[in-house]
Parts: sequence; structure tokens; C-alpha cells
Amino acid sequence: AQKVTQAQTEISVVEKEDVTLDCVYETRDTTYYLFWYKQPPSGELVFLIRRNSFDEQNEISGRYSWNFQKSTSSFNFTITASQVVDSAVYFCALSEADRRAGSYQLTFGKGTKLSVIP
Amino acid sequence: KAGVTQTPRYLIKTRGQQVTLSCSPISGHRSVSWYQQTPGQGLQFLFEYFSETQRNKGNFPGRFSGRQFSNSRSEMNVSTLELGDSALYLCASSLGVPGGISYEQYFGPGTRLTVT
Repeated sequence: AQKVTQAQTEISVVEKEDVTLDCVYETRDTTYYLFWYKQPPSGELVFLIRRNSFDEQNEISGRYSWNFQKSTSSFNFTITASQVVDSAVYFCALSEADRRAGSYQLTFGKGTKLSVIP
Repeated sequence: KAGVTQTPRYLIKTRGQQVTLSCSPISGHRSVSWYQQTPGQGLQFLFEYFSETQRNKGNFPGRFSGRQFSNSRSEMNVSTLELGDSALYLCASSLGVPGGISYEQYFGPGTRLTVT
């Protein structure tokens, strides 16, 4: 069974600090996908990134960066120079194929609530 | 491109009643998934539809059902509501084309259901 663990329930940082959100996953498959989503107070989940299991290159998008390490089954997310607008709940998710059904479903971690204090 | 829309946004129902929630996916997306979000259980997968067929189902009782129409719009229905069904119900759409790729899912704003 697949599983996603986000050990940090809540994090508070002062604006302009860097912050890393941890994500550890478990899967038996060799082909899988990892995602990060942001859920601001409005409630809508916003897609941030998708990474497949064969692509271990780190990715940077503006102030956001992601570190994928298969050796430790981790897919961590770093926000550089945090801003108040980054305050939200961040979810890491894992997707494996259901080959019988021909579909994928997302298994989410419990989320990390990030508060950026001005 | 318009995003995923869900109606209604808020709903209050009484135990024992039934409810129908609606979701319109992004134009061109044929896969619609539904998730339940509660403070205790987090985000849990309900089911996924593709081309009017349910392809996958999560671990929820039969009171939870859904369907998808030819225009990819989807509805989910919960019968005999229980207090524990109070949650945010999120709909997500994706390309979902079979072929070994997990496409990103784009979520709607959700329907907040309160059962009293």
C-alpha cells in the first residue's frame, strides 16, 4: 500500500526566511508520480509540481525548489525568502497506476500548515 | 481556460437526507475524480470517472456514488447522510488518458457539506 508522510504538522517562519517542507513516501512500484499542492485559506487545492519516479533532477521555479531523492524516498519542498502570501497548507501526494483500472489516484499526506509572519 | 467549477459551494443537510454535488471539469479534460477532506482523515479518494465510466473507487460505503455525463460533467451523490459525512468535497479534473502517465489533477473550490 502506498503511503505519504508529512511529519511537520505546522511550521511558522518570519517573512524572508527560507523554509523546507518534508515529504517521505512509501511505494512498491518502480513507476510512480509525486506531487505538491498548495491549499490557501480559500480551500482550493493549487497544483505546484509533478515529478515521475524516473526523473530525479531537482527543480527550481522562482522561489520554489524541490529535492527528489529516491534513495531516501523523499520529495522535499523549499520556499526561499518566504512571503506572507505563502501561508497555506501544503500537501504532498503520491500516485501509482492501477493497471487493472487504467487509472491513477492520488494518496495525500496529512499536510503541513505554513504560517509566514510579517 | 475556465477552471474546475463545483456547485453548490455550501450545503446544509439533515441526517438521513440525500445530497447531489456537481462538478464541471476543465474543457478537454475527460477524467474527473472526487475527494473528501475532513480534519481527522485528511484528503481521501472517493472515485474517478473517465468517459462516463467509473475507473477507480476508494474505500467508501455504497452510500457514496457518482456518475459522469457525455460532456464530462460529473455528479456525486450521498444517500442517507450521517453526521460524519460533513466535509469538504473536492472535485479534480485531468486529461486522464490511459497510457501509463499520471497527469496532474486540477481541483475545484469544493463543496462544503454540513450534516446536522
